[in-house]
Amino acid sequence: DAKTTQPPSMDCAEGRAANLPCNHSTISGNEYVYWYRQIHSQGPQYIIHGLKNNETNEMASLIITEDRKSSTLILPHATLRDTAVYYCIVTSGANNLFFGTGTRLTVIP
Amino acid sequence: GAVVSQHPSWVICKSGTSVKIECRSLDFQATTMFWYRQFPKQSLMLMATSNEGSKATYEQGVEKDKFLINHASLTLSTLTVTSAHPEDSSFYICSASSPAGGWGETQYFGPGTRLLVL
Repeated sequence: DAKTTQPPSMDCAEGRAANLPCNHSTISGNEYVYWYRQIHSQGPQYIIHGLKNNETNEMASLIITEDRKSSTLILPHATLRDTAVYYCIVTSGANNLFFGTGTRLTVIP
Repeated sequence: GAVVSQHPSWVICKSGTSVKIECRSLDFQATTMFWYRQFPKQSLMLMATSNEGSKATYEQGVEKDKFLINHASLTLSTLTVTSAHPEDSSFYICSASSPAGGWGETQYFGPGTRLLVL
């Protein structure tokens, strides 16, 4: 599966949009982009996934570039409860998830 | 929907004893379940993958005789840590795979079980 690169940490002001980038320049045509997050001492939580089109659900939006070499997870109005480690995972199927180091997002009051 | 539970949420045991952790998919049938381990300040590491009614597939370096996995039904998988030692102290997390919208499956994770071996 393709490797991903994420910034180790980010801060975001409460109420503002949080934009979390992910680079996956070696992604293959049949690989999806998945996003999970892990709040401290809890199991990971599924957020969203996509193949090539932008996706939106009640939690977030996923913007995938046209060449699919990078993507951005957008939390439209960050709250303190969104403070977590966010993992961008590229995989051919959800039965094969590799969790890297992720981005530690801190939402600041 | 897509809720996965684990029991117990935490356990303390003496060295040499065995500990069983249960993982249940509450509102869907999971043909595949996964067990992960997470040490402090590290990311999740996959231990094994289990399919209902068949033997689990273990990742390299994970002892199958020490970490016994049983996936007897579509909603229940158990992980037994046999003869636990202090180095087995960790956060154990299960997940279950559920098809999503006809394309691309999604793994849903349990809340985790914190094991402390004294």
